Amino acid sequence: KAGVTQTPRYLIKTRGQQVTLSCSPISGHRSVSWYQQTPGQGLQFLFEYFSETQRNKGNFPGRFSGRQFSNSRSEMNVSTLELGDSALYLCASSLAGYTQETQYFGPGTRLLVL
Amino acid sequence: GESVGLHLPTLSVQEGDNSIINCAYSNSASDYFIWYKQESGKGPQFIIDIRSNMDKRQGQRVTVLLNKTVKHLSLQIAATQPGDSAVYFCAENSNRDDKIIFGKGTRLHILP
Repeated sequence: KAGVTQTPRYLIKTRGQQVTLSCSPISGHRSVSWYQQTPGQGLQFLFEYFSETQRNKGNFPGRFSGRQFSNSRSEMNVSTLELGDSALYLCASSLAGYTQETQYFGPGTRLLVL
Repeated sequence: GESVGLHLPTLSVQEGDNSIINCAYSNSASDYFIWYKQESGKGPQFIIDIRSNMDKRQGQRVTVLLNKTVKHLSLQIAATQPGDSAVYFCAENSNRDDKIIFGKGTRLHILP
């Protein structure tokens, strides 16, 4: 079974631009969660989607948004990029999205904002 | 590969020795704990989990110990190998909460 895939793997943008990242979960998994990973803050939860609905959201500004499609693939969007948005963005999938259920992470998208 | 954390605590262990990675968790209501391993250029990988009704759980070459009294979690890796080089994260969750809280991580460095 293929693992979680994320595209692109690397991205360079400039301040003020917007970016869309994509995540394909493991086949059969319906929950997709997104995380931001930085050296200073570690792994921080952005949001979680299940059956095309956002079920949970972390403490990030409204510039961070996401969506999920009927095939469970998910995208996240960051508008009006800031230098501090430079990070590794990880998505994780699980069968039903219960927090005490194993999450499987993708390799991440490394975003650099100049 | 990516640098997961430039200022992470680092544990250096001789190849073949046992490694013990420690984690202090914050929420006394947490009842589920997970250890993840993150190698350079990869996402976190699930290693082992434990629920609060247990003190110890063993996997293949790994053991997790939970001390609820002092809110402490440890991961023991037996006979450490070069492939164990990675950053290790603990994570906690409470049934009352929808989110998993991750620790900052510890870098495990294997000495030849």
